[in-house]
Amino acid sequence: DVKVTQSSRYLVKRTGEKVFLECVQDMDHENMFWYRQDPGLGLRLIYFSYDVKMKEKGDIPEGYSVSREKKERFSLILESASTNQTSMYLCASSFISSPLHFGNGTRLTVT
Amino acid sequence: QQQVKQSPQSLIVQKGGISIINCAYENTAFDYFPWYQQFPGKGPALLIAIRPDVSEKKEGRFTISFNKSAKQFSLHIMDSQPGDSATYFCAASSLGRDDKIIFGKGTRLHILP
Repeated sequence: DVKVTQSSRYLVKRTGEKVFLECVQDMDHENMFWYRQDPGLGLRLIYFSYDVKMKEKGDIPEGYSVSREKKERFSLILESASTNQTSMYLCASSFISSPLHFGNGTRLTVT
Repeated sequence: QQQVKQSPQSLIVQKGGISIINCAYENTAFDYFPWYQQFPGKGPALLIAIRPDVSEKKEGRFTISFNKSAKQFSLHIMDSQPGDSATYFCAASSLGRDDKIIFGKGTRLHILP
């Protein structure tokens, strides 16, 4: 069974802090994604990656960056956290043209 | 043109009833239409998917109906059970473009016991 593991279920950070959200998948998937989930707004793509050291902006990349140094690991970075980045963050992975496999999410609160 | 419009936003159904969630799209290049199911505290998981060369796909109590000319597709849950209570997302994409999967805003389904 595919496992996508997000390192933290809950995080509380202060405004201005640098925040790292980590995601690891165990199925050798080429594609990895970071989504943000907010009530009434659904799932919005922040960044995705097709390969190691490769990254592409999604629909809402402002205020975020990513890192993919190894195939199995995809990190989302909030350079200077703000309160409007309080949200549920979901990592996903997939083979090309196959369904997305999601982690269980990290609920981030920025105070 | 890139939107997938999903309705209703929330739905309450009696146990044993039929739950129906509807989605509409504009982009005729979409050729893959999955539905994802999300339970509280979990990430979404693929439930069922359809391609536009068929009008219906059934897996157990879950059926996707697809109307290509109307650019609409819907999820029907027959004999709805309390364990079906979850958030459901429809989505659309062009095969081979995983970065371009577009999700609906979700429907919170609650099945009354």
